[in-house]
Amino acid sequence: AQSVTQLGSHVSVSEGALVLLRCNYSSSVPPYLFWYVQYPNQGLQLLLKYTTGATLVKGINGFEAEFKKSETSFHLTKPSAHMSDAAEYFCAVSGLGGSYIPTFGRGTSLIVHP
Amino acid sequence: DSGVTQTPKHLITATGQRVTLRCSPRSGDLSVYWYQQSLDQGLQFLIQYYNGEERAKGNILERFSAQQFPDLHSELNLSSLELGDSALYFCASSVDGGLNEKLFFGSGTQLSVL
Repeated sequence: AQSVTQLGSHVSVSEGALVLLRCNYSSSVPPYLFWYVQYPNQGLQLLLKYTTGATLVKGINGFEAEFKKSETSFHLTKPSAHMSDAAEYFCAVSGLGGSYIPTFGRGTSLIVHP
Repeated sequence: DSGVTQTPKHLITATGQRVTLRCSPRSGDLSVYWYQQSLDQGLQFLIQYYNGEERAKGNILERFSAQQFPDLHSELNLSSLELGDSALYFCASSVDGGLNEKLFFGSGTQLSVL
């Protein structure tokens, strides 16, 4: 069964520092990959997605993610954290085993210190 | 605003009771998904409907049921409620439930079973 692993339930950075949120999936076939963000008291919203083509995907709010097939990873990065980036981030995977349903990781809470 | 409307936002009830959660998808979206979010289980897929028909089923308990009506709104019915059913229930919609489709999430219904 496909699975999604997000390393670190909490990541803490200083404002202006690099943000790196890790996501690995278990599959021998490249799936469709997504990052969603959840701000307090809100639903999830899409940051970016990878389907095919360029392995470096740019999303909203300055975030980007790189698909690395050899590492089965899709890590999310942002060069410079802003206070407004504090939120819960979810990696999701779909397209394996005939399933169209996105499977979500457990989420990583990003904490940004002034 | 995602365009997905969930009501009510909060629901407090007692064990053994039955509740109904309602979701109106984004205009034009045919597919509706229900997810349960809890601290110990993360975001778990429950069930998906497409244009009134059940398309996929996830970790949905037998005490839970759902349907999608001709006007495409959906309801999730939870019966014989237990303390462990306390969670945030999200509805999401997409255009046609395809593999690489973006999901639009509502703000969720926070269910508290006392």
